[in-house]
Amino acid sequence: DAGITQSPRHKVTETGTPVTLRCHQTENHRYMYWYRQDPGHGLRLIHYSYGVKDTDKGEVSDGYSVSRSKTEDFLLTLESATSSQTSVYFCAISEGPNYNEQFFGPGTRLTVL
Amino acid sequence: GENVEQHPSTLSVQEGDSAVIKCTYSDSASNYFPWYKQELGKGPQLIIDIRSNVGEKKDQRIAVTLNKTAKHFSLHITETQPEDSAVYFCAATRRGSSNTGKLIFGQGTTLQVKP
Repeated sequence: DAGITQSPRHKVTETGTPVTLRCHQTENHRYMYWYRQDPGHGLRLIHYSYGVKDTDKGEVSDGYSVSRSKTEDFLLTLESATSSQTSVYFCAISEGPNYNEQFFGPGTRLTVL
Repeated sequence: GENVEQHPSTLSVQEGDSAVIKCTYSDSASNYFPWYKQELGKGPQLIIDIRSNVGEKKDQRIAVTLNKTAKHFSLHITETQPEDSAVYFCAATRRGSSNTGKLIFGQGTTLQVKP
């Protein structure tokens, strides 16, 4: 398995609180992605990074921000969590767009009450 | 925007039967189509992929077919086994462009293989 860890694995929080999810990789892959998975929607891209301090928006980026200060870490922040952000969040990594295989982490289940 | 439609949402088969999952994509420039398998409590894992210059690809009991004209591709699993039970996702992307590897996923198919 690709060396990807996500923390925390489970979190319950209240509406309006900030939440940060962490993705850590040991593969030295340049590209990192954050997805959310919801029933009936598959996986939807939130944000991605193509290098340290280089990030861009995905299809469902509203309400989320990201940061990547080191190759191995990609942080996803919900500035003020809402119930609509209750979901399972997956991080993925890849060597680059010409390889395209994305390796996924184990996921973080977030519940916003 | 770009979209991938996947059907059926659930599929139940008897062990040993075949299973077929179909996807349709909207972006005619898509040229790479991976399939992922997600077991309960885990992240998705790539099981097979196909490029737009190939019509069919096989890997043991799994095969994928691509019809570029109709913009659809399918996953075929033969001689299904209980361990094939999982959620399967199709995806599409433009490989090698400025798309930076962004995958557009289908909605997923929950496959149940009954012993």
